[in-house]
Amino acid sequence: DAGVIQSPRHEVTEMGQEVTLRCKPISGHNSLFWYRQTMMRGLELLIYFNNNVPIDDSGMPEDRFSAKMPNASFSTLKIQPSEPRDSAVYFCASSGEDREKLFFGSGTQLSVL
Amino acid sequence: GESVGLHLPTLSVQEGDNSIINCAYSNSASDYFIWYKQESGKGPQFIIDIRSNMDKRQGQRVTVLLNKTVKHLSLQIAATQPGDSAVYFCAENRVKAAGNKLTFGGGTRVLVKP
Repeated sequence: DAGVIQSPRHEVTEMGQEVTLRCKPISGHNSLFWYRQTMMRGLELLIYFNNNVPIDDSGMPEDRFSAKMPNASFSTLKIQPSEPRDSAVYFCASSGEDREKLFFGSGTQLSVL
Repeated sequence: GESVGLHLPTLSVQEGDNSIINCAYSNSASDYFIWYKQESGKGPQFIIDIRSNMDKRQGQRVTVLLNKTVKHLSLQIAATQPGDSAVYFCAENRVKAAGNKLTFGGGTRVLVKP
């Protein structure tokens, strides 16, 4: 299995632009998670889905952030409009039968100028 | 979990020695714990996990110890190798809770000296 696949690996954008991050979970996994990692706050859970349904989005910082999971093999995290303070590494993770064991992708390094 | 700040605690260890990484968790209701390793430019990678009905679990070169009385978790790495240099995170979860929220500690950087 290729593992969790995220794209792009790096994204540089200007303040006010829309940013879309993409994730393909491990095939057969039914839970998907979006995390954000910064030096100041460490790894923070933004939102997670179970069977494509958002279960807990209490970590989503603002209405500028939205996440979707249209099917079991794809999820997006969108920031609109982006701000410099959104600069971070965004990780997607998935889990399967052993739902507490998360497998992480390589992350998207986002820089908002 | 550990406090989060600008500077990660750092553990310097000589190659071949054993490493011990400590973690204090905050939620007494947590019943599942997991250690992740994160190398530069990569996502966290699963190392080992333990449930609250155990106090010790061993893997290949790694051992996790859980002390629920003082809410303390440790990861021991035997015969540390250069490839073990990374940031190590502990995380906690509540299996029986509605939902699945893995909460991460701040991390410890391990530097292996040749």
